[in-house]
Amino acid sequence: AQSVAQPEDQVNVAEGNPLTVKCTYSVSGNPYLFWYVQYPNRGLQFLLKYITGDNLVKGSYGFEAEFNKSQTSFHLKKPSALVSDSALYFCAVRNSGGYNKLIFGAGTRLAVHP
Amino acid sequence: GAVVSQHPSRVICKSGTSVKIECRSLDFQATTMFWYRQFPKQSLMLMATSNEGSKATYEQGVEKDKFLINHASLTLSTLTVTSAHPEDSSFYICSARVGAEYTGELFFGEGSRLTVL
Repeated sequence: AQSVAQPEDQVNVAEGNPLTVKCTYSVSGNPYLFWYVQYPNRGLQFLLKYITGDNLVKGSYGFEAEFNKSQTSFHLKKPSALVSDSALYFCAVRNSGGYNKLIFGAGTRLAVHP
Repeated sequence: GAVVSQHPSRVICKSGTSVKIECRSLDFQATTMFWYRQFPKQSLMLMATSNEGSKATYEQGVEKDKFLINHASLTLSTLTVTSAHPEDSSFYICSARVGAEYTGELFFGEGSRLTVL
């Protein structure tokens, strides 16, 4: 069965420092990977996705993610964090093997301190 | 990006009553919409896949008769929580897919917080 793991419940980072939010996945077949962000009492907003091609994917608000097939990871990164980046981040996977549901990780709360 | 509108954003009801939540795709047509449920500080749980013009596909453990889903048009899906009980209190989020089945993006509504007294 496919699954997504976000090993950190919370990530704390100082404003201006680089940030990384970790995600690992398990699927059979080629993975289609997504990152979403959720602000309090709001729906989710799409950040970026990996389908194929370059392993480094650039998305909204200066975020990027690196697909690493050997490590089955898709970590979210940003070179310089902003306080406004503080939110809940979800990694999600949909595999190509006939199981087209989007499965979300547990979420990681990012706190950026001034 | 595509806009998905969800209404109401908050609803409080008495135990035993039914509540309807609407999910609309404002600037695109969505043949498939998804309904999720989110508990506090937890991830999203897929409840069902709503298909325009046909019956919804429910995930294992989700009561079809309790959570009625109707997708009558290409821009509207509704979730009705029937005979609501306090344990149904939750944050319900709908989404619609734009693009191909496996590679398309999901766009989410703002969510509806249901509180059952």
